[in-house]
This record gives sequence, C-alpha cells and structure tokens, in this order.
Amino acid sequence: SQTIHQWPATLVQPVGSPLSLECTVEGTSNPNLYWYRQAAGRGLQLLFYSVGIGQISSEVPQNLSASRPQDRQFILSSKKLLLSDSGFYLCAWSVLNSPLHFGNGTRLTVT
Amino acid sequence: DQQVKQNSPSLSVQEGRISILNCDYTNSMFDYFLWYKKYPAEGPTFLISISSIKDKNEDGRFTVFLNKSAKHLSLHIVPSQPGDSAVYFCAASWRRGGSNYKLTFGKGTLLTVNP
Repeated sequence: SQTIHQWPATLVQPVGSPLSLECTVEGTSNPNLYWYRQAAGRGLQLLFYSVGIGQISSEVPQNLSASRPQDRQFILSSKKLLLSDSGFYLCAWSVLNSPLHFGNGTRLTVT
Repeated sequence: DQQVKQNSPSLSVQEGRISILNCDYTNSMFDYFLWYKKYPAEGPTFLISISSIKDKNEDGRFTVFLNKSAKHLSLHIVPSQPGDSAVYFCAASWRRGGSNYKLTFGKGTLLTVNP
C-alpha cells in the first residue's frame, strides 16, 4: 500500500533562517506531488506541484521554492523565512485520476 | 477570488442526527468535486467525491449531492457520530481541462457532533 512521510511534524524557526521540509512517498511510481499550505483561518492553498523529476510548477509567487530530486521525494525550501511563512504545510500525492492523499503536515512557526 | 466557498465556519449537531455541510463554487468549468475530513495536527483524508455527470453519490453514512445549476454541493452524514467531529473541506477541480490534479479548496467547516 502507498504511504507518505512528511517531516518534521513541528518546526520553530527565526525570521531570516533557511527552511527545508521533506516529503517521500512509498508504494507508487511516478506520482504527482504537491505542496499545500493552510494559513490560520484560511483554506488549503496549492503552492507547488510536480508531475515528474525536476518538473516543478508554482501556483503563487512567494518566498518558497520546491524541488523533486527523485521520483518519490519532494522538498520545500526557503533561503530566508518571513513571518508570513508561518502555517501548516502539507505534502500530497496522486496518480492518474485518484484523489489527493495527504501527509500529516508540518506546523511551521516563524518567530 | 474564492472559487470554492464554505460559508459556515462551524456546525454543531446531536449524535444520531443528520449533519449537512454545504459548499458553493463559482467556476463553471469545475467538473469533479471532493470532500475531505481533517483532524487536528493531521493531514486531510479523502471522504467521497462526485463527478459533474452525477447528482448524487453515496458511501455508507456519507452522501454527496451536486446541484450544477445552483453551483452547490452538500455532504450529508447520517447518522452523525462523535468521531465525525472534524474540519470538512470541500474541493473542486477541472478534469476535462487536464487539471484534475489541481484542487481548489474551501476554507473548511468545523463539525462538532455532541454525544
């Protein structure tokens, strides 16, 4: 069966520090991969999606970037965090027309 | 511009009664709709979906109704159980446009089922 791992579960970082969140998927090949963010009092916003290695599409201009170095690995990064980057970050995967399956998320607090 | 709207931030119902969660959308290109359930500190889990060629889909205690002319869908939970207490997200996508993988989510509705 397919599983998705996302870490860390919580993270507190100072403004201006770098960020690296990692997500890996097991049990499937060539999945579509996604990064979503849920800010306080808001819905889930799509940040990035990837349909293959090295293929990244950005949905919103922001202080973050994403990379897909391997088929089942998706990384969310920032060189310098802003206060507004605080939120709940969710990685997800899908194949063909299946619904998205989410990881358990990372709670990021930028102080 | 919020294309998927859940106008009720919260809903409280008694155990055993029906829970009705509502969702409205503005983009007429959407042709696939989903409901997700989310517990605190966890990722959303898929509940049920419906294609625009249908007006109803049922899975156990969960039924989703789609009214395309009103651009409205609803999730019915019968009977409601305390374990159903969670945030419910409505989501939509445009499959025929090749954007099946891009979901647009509402802000969610917090359902509380009281014993």
